[in-house]
Order: sequence, then C-alpha cells, then structure tokens
Amino acid sequence: NAGVTQTPKFQVLKTGQSMTLQCAQDMNHNSMYWYRQDPGMGLRLIYYSASEGTTDKGEVPNGYNVSRLNKREFSLRLESAAPSQTSVYFCASSDRDTTRGGNTIYFGEGSWLTVV
Amino acid sequence: AQSVTQLGSHVSVSEGALVLLRCNYSSSVPPYLFWYVQYPNQGLQLLLKYTTGATLVKGINGFEAEFKKSETSFHLTKPSAHMSDAAEYFCAVSDPPHRGGSYIPTFGRGTSLIVHP
Repeated sequence: NAGVTQTPKFQVLKTGQSMTLQCAQDMNHNSMYWYRQDPGMGLRLIYYSASEGTTDKGEVPNGYNVSRLNKREFSLRLESAAPSQTSVYFCASSDRDTTRGGNTIYFGEGSWLTVV
Repeated sequence: AQSVTQLGSHVSVSEGALVLLRCNYSSSVPPYLFWYVQYPNQGLQLLLKYTTGATLVKGINGFEAEFKKSETSFHLTKPSAHMSDAAEYFCAVSDPPHRGGSYIPTFGRGTSLIVHP
C-alpha cells in the first residue's frame, strides 16, 4: 500500500531558485496538507486543501504556493527559495471518519530540503 | 482557539521502566485528541486517538492514554519501555469540525523519548 507518496526525498537549492514538491495519495481522501517540521517547533501547517478545488493558508504560508491538481495530488511550490525554508516537509491526507469522527491524518515520509 | 503543550522536549527512561509523556491542551469544546509517533527519518503515524466514549484509549505497541477533562490532559503511558520505542512523539488536538468543514489539528512541539539499555 503506497499511502502518501512525496518527491523528491532530498533536495539542495540555492537561494532564489524555485522548486516544486510533489505529493500524491491513493486513499481517495478529500483533505490534503503540507507541513514543515523544524527542530523544537513541531509541525506547522503551511497550506491545506479541504477538498478538490479548494486551498487555504495555514500557520506559515509566506513564501509558498500550492496547487490541488486533482483529488489525488497536492503540490507545494517555493518560488524563490530562502535559507529560512530549510526544513523537512511532510505531505499528509485525511478523510472524515464517519463512524466515530476524529480524522486520522496519514503522512508521507518527508522531503528534506536545504537552501544554501 | 486550540493549543497543545507537551511538557519536556526530551524524556529519558531505562528499558523496562514506565514511560510517561505529558500533554495538556486548551480547547473551547470537547476536543478530539491524538498521539502520533515518528521514528527516525520517517513520517508520523497514528499511535492512538480519543474522540468520544471511553476515556482510556489503547493504541498500538502497548501504549495507552487517558483523557481527563478536568485536567485538560491526555498523557501517554506505557508500563514497560522497549528500545524500539525510542522515537519522537507528538500530541495533537482538534476541535470537531463544523458540518462539512475542514479538520485541522494542532500539533504539540514533540517529545523525544530516549530509552537506555
């Protein structure tokens, strides 16, 4: 079972370069998320998409853009990378638990991005 | 607004000892509560969750957590630590979404569990 797949796993960028992190899920989930993880900061939400065709800002959206390409795919773009964007990025997905509520979030394995 | 506080960025125990990871939350309504575990170089995976019903929740790998509304706590415990339990643990809280609304959990900063032989 693939679950949530994100690429690339590792990337080094120079300041000012752009790149796109790709994410796809095969669980037919409606909601998808992008988080960044930094030491001592836990996970912070960058953007999310509650359903196909909608996107909303999270806690730390500055410097990022997203595209919900279809129900499966949700990409994160850095238009002009900065050293402050050096982080581990996680894509995730979830859907409503109609039996008990409290959606479980399923995470990808992470993308390590370094901006020099 | 909801928030999560995990007391202690690092917890160190000996193999076989009790594991106790603390989580306190603030929420304006009875929340959904979660513990996730992250093993080195991996994504997070669900350990257990509380939504409604029994306040003592059992999860995978022998972990359990108890929802205490009066203390606004959801501490994670395991009677006997194994070396394989060494990982980062995250507590998360979510207010129940409005009908058809988005589900956006808030995560704590994480607690690193270190297990000594």
